[in-house]
Amino acid sequence: DSGVTQTPKHLITATGQRVTLRCSPRSGDLSVYWYQQSLDQGLQFLIQYYNGEERAKGNILERFSAQQFPDLHSELNLSSLELGDSALYFCASSPRTSGGPEETQYFGPGTRLLVL
Amino acid sequence: AQKITQTQPGMFVQEKEAVTLDCTYDTSDPSYGLFWYKQPSSGEMIFLIYQGSYDQQNATEGRYSLNFQKARKSANLVISASQLGDSAMYFCAMSPAYGQNFVFGPGTRLSVLP
Repeated sequence: DSGVTQTPKHLITATGQRVTLRCSPRSGDLSVYWYQQSLDQGLQFLIQYYNGEERAKGNILERFSAQQFPDLHSELNLSSLELGDSALYFCASSPRTSGGPEETQYFGPGTRLLVL
Repeated sequence: AQKITQTQPGMFVQEKEAVTLDCTYDTSDPSYGLFWYKQPSSGEMIFLIYQGSYDQQNATEGRYSLNFQKARKSANLVISASQLGDSAMYFCAMSPAYGQNFVFGPGTRLSVLP
């Protein structure tokens, strides 16, 4: 158990809908990262937050947005869902952000999203 | 741009034997970190081992060791005394310089045979 929690574990929805994925980082971790893992794209970095502020953006679609709240939990919002958005969405957290290359990211169990 | 290559899509190993999973990377940054993660069929990503680019010694964590060859830009994972529970996908990842984010390789699926 990494100490990172994600809810829900599974989510089934229809095209065009909007969903919210939730993540609680490990106690004391200030940085939260979101990743998408699909069969054809592998593990893709979406976005990073540090202490409530957006720190880095990766391959995140405009239909997707995220935020980190004062209690450090984070939410990833996915809207106008398409079939291709079906994937495993991970949240990860790291202890601090020196941003240095030594920072280990600890992953949550993931949310498996199925868009029908 | 940073890139991670894992050339073995799938590997088989006999229980109790050692296995090496290959990872090569490409970066022009002088400082970087290299990580290995395990993803069992249940889906979670489990951190295994870390190696810093300036570390003089190869990292070890229990049955896991990282064979770091900086000049060759390789960071192979060695699992000693394989167990059935080691069957999983294994991902090599790189953390480049300050302010950038992890880049993952495509993964290697390891199957441990009884």
